[in-house]
Amino acid sequence: GENVEQHPSTLSVQEGDSAVIKCTYSDSASNYFPWYKQELGKRPQLIIDIRSNVGEKKDQRIAVTLNKTAKHFSLHITETQPEDSAVYFCAASGGFSGTYKYIFGTGTRLKVLA
Amino acid sequence: GAGVSQSPRYKVAKRGQDVALRCDPISGHVSLFWYQQALGQGPEFLTYFQNEAQLDKSGLPSDRFFAERPEGSVSTLKIQRTQQEDSAVYLCASSLGGLNTEAFFGQGTRLTVV
Repeated sequence: GENVEQHPSTLSVQEGDSAVIKCTYSDSASNYFPWYKQELGKRPQLIIDIRSNVGEKKDQRIAVTLNKTAKHFSLHITETQPEDSAVYFCAASGGFSGTYKYIFGTGTRLKVLA
Repeated sequence: GAGVSQSPRYKVAKRGQDVALRCDPISGHVSLFWYQQALGQGPEFLTYFQNEAQLDKSGLPSDRFFAERPEGSVSTLKIQRTQQEDSAVYLCASSLGGLNTEAFFGQGTRLTVV
């Protein structure tokens, strides 16, 4: 069935360094890839998304890249700050099933050390 | 309201008890999703509504789980004869509808079955 793998499961970086989180998806028909940030006890919130007709998208310190051939997409956070500490989830949507459900990765717990 | 609202925020149920979880989506949002999030995991899809029609219920784990959205707005997820493995956070999300539109999440209901 549809599957999204996410690595690493935990990531610690020094404040000001960059963080990279990687995901791979199994359904080649997937065409929408959102990234959500979830702080402890709070709702997931969209931070950036990318559609399959685009290879890269950037929003200030956050960027996402997509390689459709490899079925691989990544989140890049530059100049990390303590408030970036949270769990990040990637997701894929729009696959062969034809529905709009998101298939989520298992999450990456990012810790930014001051 | 401004966002997706879920109630109750917390629910403790004795094993075998029935529970009902409520979701108020953003006004005008056509699509509504329910997800189950186990501790330390990513959200897993349960079911999807487009207006009042339940178009996908492939993620419901058993026939003890039932969801409805009778008037195309508020949705209720019902779990009958709860079991310990049902303990999780149940997240509701809504979107404008159509492919690849942002899903807005509620804060979730944390269900603990004792």
